[in-house]
Amino acid sequence: QKEVEQDPGPLSVPEGAIVSLNCTYSNSAFQYFMWYRQYSRKGPELLMYTYSSGNKEDGRFTAQVDKSSKYISLFIRDSQPSDSATYLCATLPGGATNKLIFGTGTLLAVQP
Amino acid sequence: KAGVTQTPRYLIKTRGQQVTLSCSPISGHRSVSWYQQTPGQGLQFLFEYFSETQRNKGNFPGRFSGRQFSNSRSEMNVSTLELGDSALYLCASSSDRGQDTQYFGPGTRLTVL
Repeated sequence: QKEVEQDPGPLSVPEGAIVSLNCTYSNSAFQYFMWYRQYSRKGPELLMYTYSSGNKEDGRFTAQVDKSSKYISLFIRDSQPSDSATYLCATLPGGATNKLIFGTGTLLAVQP
Repeated sequence: KAGVTQTPRYLIKTRGQQVTLSCSPISGHRSVSWYQQTPGQGLQFLFEYFSETQRNKGNFPGRFSGRQFSNSRSEMNVSTLELGDSALYLCASSSDRGQDTQYFGPGTRLTVL
């Protein structure tokens, strides 16, 4: 079993739709959760960084962590064609390490 | 601030050869991590260097190695290349502490023929 599982997609939505991207993780010790966006032929860029349970909002993006069910989500409101990319969830095991554990990514296409 | 830079951006090698990839972190960052990205396995952690010392290592064979220099620049080396080593190799830099934001470079696309 992978430590972080992510809905495989691909996901295609019309412009303006609300997008929901989801991951589950296996280790209850994980505390730090991130969402990265990766455009084709580019490196991942950090979108959201959350610690422990709760919601975090940044513009059209909301990250949600539910530690009781080991479930993390990213919501995109009013989706735009420029949001078309691969979205990767990731977690840090904690401690003095920067080893990120990634989900496999969900390819999102927002149709104009 | 300039971002993370990686050279070269593209490489084509044949089986059995070796390759060296380079990563220059963001100025002031002392931690550099390397990842391999493939369509089948996604992003997998290779190793992390901090102040010239390997701090963590992923589950890759010994053909994969790395090092970090005193200016925090890092290199990774893959010896005796195999077809399955074809991938996008990404490096990420962050400041001193764990749990800090990691910034990724654009990657080096390695193709092994």
